[in-house]
Amino acid sequence: GQQVMQIPQYQHVQEGEDFTTYCNSSTTLSNIQWYKQRPGGHPVFLIQLVKSGEVKKQKRLTFQFGEAKKNSSLHITATQTTDVGTYFCAGRDNNQGGKLIFGQGTELSVKP
Amino acid sequence: GAGVSQSPSNKVTEKGKDVELRCDPISGHTALYWYRQSLGQGLEFLIYFQGNSAPDKSGLPSDRFSAERTGGSVSTLTIQRTQQEDSAVYLCASSFRGGPEAFFGQGTRLTVV
Repeated sequence: GQQVMQIPQYQHVQEGEDFTTYCNSSTTLSNIQWYKQRPGGHPVFLIQLVKSGEVKKQKRLTFQFGEAKKNSSLHITATQTTDVGTYFCAGRDNNQGGKLIFGQGTELSVKP
Repeated sequence: GAGVSQSPSNKVTEKGKDVELRCDPISGHTALYWYRQSLGQGLEFLIYFQGNSAPDKSGLPSDRFSAERTGGSVSTLTIQRTQQEDSAVYLCASSFRGGPEAFFGQGTRLTVV
């Protein structure tokens, strides 16, 4: 079945450093979503990418969807302590009824 | 309600007992998901309901796990003869069909002792 792999599992950065997490799918995706889960919280939707090669920005966050629609990345510029949490990508394959399959997540810690 | 509601928020049960976890999705959302998250781990897909279609049960880890969704709204996840490895946070999410955003509940923390 569809698998979504995410790396790295953990990332520790100094405040102000950049951070990137990568997501790869075993199948072509209809779209990909990114979620953030704060410690002790539940995942919260950040963004959805649909088009091949799409790039979207939210302030210091840049999201990319690969040309083949099988990979994606989230890049945070100049991390802040408020960025702490686990970032998940989630792939949707409309050929499989549209269910969302999540990657394992990347846990980001930011040292002030 | 305003969001996805899950109950109970915490459940401690003895090994071998059955448990039922409840999810009230956002009104009008046709898609409903159950995921399991063990401590420090990712989101393990369990089951997916979409409207009147047959549910996708491909993520259920064993036949001790079952779920139903009545009237296209409330869903119940049942775990029979619980084992210690079932201890985790069980998260429910809902969305509009084709809608981008899945809204998560706060989860049920299940502890099997």
